[in-house]
Amino acid sequence: KQEVTQIPAALSVPEGENLVLNCSFTDSAIYNLQWFRQDPGKGLTSLLLIQSSQREQTSGRLNASLDKSSGRSTLYIAASQPGDSATYLCAVLSGNTGKLIFGQGTTLQVKP
Amino acid sequence: KAGVTQTPRYLIKTRGQQVTLSCSPISGHRSVSWYQQTPGQGLQFLFEYFSETQRNKGNFPGRFSGRQFSNSRSEMNVSTLELGDSALYLCASSLWWESYNEQFFGPGTRLTVL
Repeated sequence: KQEVTQIPAALSVPEGENLVLNCSFTDSAIYNLQWFRQDPGKGLTSLLLIQSSQREQTSGRLNASLDKSSGRSTLYIAASQPGDSATYLCAVLSGNTGKLIFGQGTTLQVKP
Repeated sequence: KAGVTQTPRYLIKTRGQQVTLSCSPISGHRSVSWYQQTPGQGLQFLFEYFSETQRNKGNFPGRFSGRQFSNSRSEMNVSTLELGDSALYLCASSLWWESYNEQFFGPGTRLTVL
């Protein structure tokens, strides 16, 4: 059974700092891994998707890496800003279905 | 291009009632998935529909059901509501072309059961 874990559960950093969010999964047989952002009471915004054959994806200040063999992904946020404050969720797609398995998320606070 | 829309955005019901939630996917997307989000359990998969067929189902009781129409719009129904059904219900749509399957989420429907 696929399980996804995110560490840390919460993180508080000063503005401008570079930071890394971690995601681990137990079954390496995944189709892809997706990182999302969720603001309080809102839906999920897709940040990055990494296909199983890829090692990393970049979008602006965000870089996500994937190491299937070790069951790990990281989301790197460069030069953090207060507007980056949100909960970040990673999810893996296992099998040819629409079923995403989510981690519990990391709540990030960036202080001005 | 319009995103995923969900209606209604907020609902208040009482125990024992039933509720229907609606999701309109991004134009051209054929797969619609539903998730329940609660503070205690996080995001949990309910079911997925592809071309009007339920392709996968999560571990929820039979009170939770859904369907998809020929235009890919989807509805989910919860009967005999319980207090524990209070949650944010999210739907996601995807293009599902070969192995590419980025899922895009709607804003959710906040259901409160009193």
